[in-house]
Amino acid sequence: ETGVTQTPRHLVMGMTNKKSLKCEQHLGHNAMYWYKQSAKKPLELMFVYSLEERVENNSVPSRFSPECPNSSHLFLHLHTLQPEDSALYLCASSQGLTSRTGELFFGEGSRLTVL
Amino acid sequence: AQSVTQPDIHITVSEGASLELRCNYSYGATPYLFWYVQSPGQGLQLLLKYFSGDTLVQGIKGFEAEFKRSQSSFNLRKPSVHWSDAAEYFCAVYSSASKIIFGSGTRLSIRP
Repeated sequence: ETGVTQTPRHLVMGMTNKKSLKCEQHLGHNAMYWYKQSAKKPLELMFVYSLEERVENNSVPSRFSPECPNSSHLFLHLHTLQPEDSALYLCASSQGLTSRTGELFFGEGSRLTVL
Repeated sequence: AQSVTQPDIHITVSEGASLELRCNYSYGATPYLFWYVQSPGQGLQLLLKYFSGDTLVQGIKGFEAEFKRSQSSFNLRKPSVHWSDAAEYFCAVYSSASKIIFGSGTRLSIRP
């Protein structure tokens, strides 16, 4: 198993659908992150969880709903999305928050297309 | 507010040639700086980081970066690129306990 695994790798959904992205880390880390990567834009931090508690919510619309049931799993629940939400969604993990080492371990991403 | 600027969107270099990717940062105190690489279809991987001390930092895959406070720069260099170095490169700066701010990225293409 690779360090951080994201499923599905590709997702196409309509604006009225409800879907979820899943992230699992096998590194024993205790902090997990969701980033949004859109073309020609910097990576946008969406959510941060540390020890399963949300510590950062970066003004993300409520149509994105994160869930962290334990330190190894992170979900991003999607509903009534807009076409501009189409992007690559990256999950990352770290041992402690980034202030300790600065190193994030990323998954390969879930490519989301909203029709 | 902290920010990172990568002025080059796309760079093409010949295989075996030297490489320098530019990064400028805005940060009030001594910054913690990073370079990440994203190969096609992959997530980001840390190449190197600067926290303090020696301003020339060595990383993985033969990359190095030099911190220049006077120029607010943290440029990434490699003396001889390989075709496998084709990827997107992101400069980043530590912002808070939970946040690293990334630049827009520079896409590197390698000419055979």
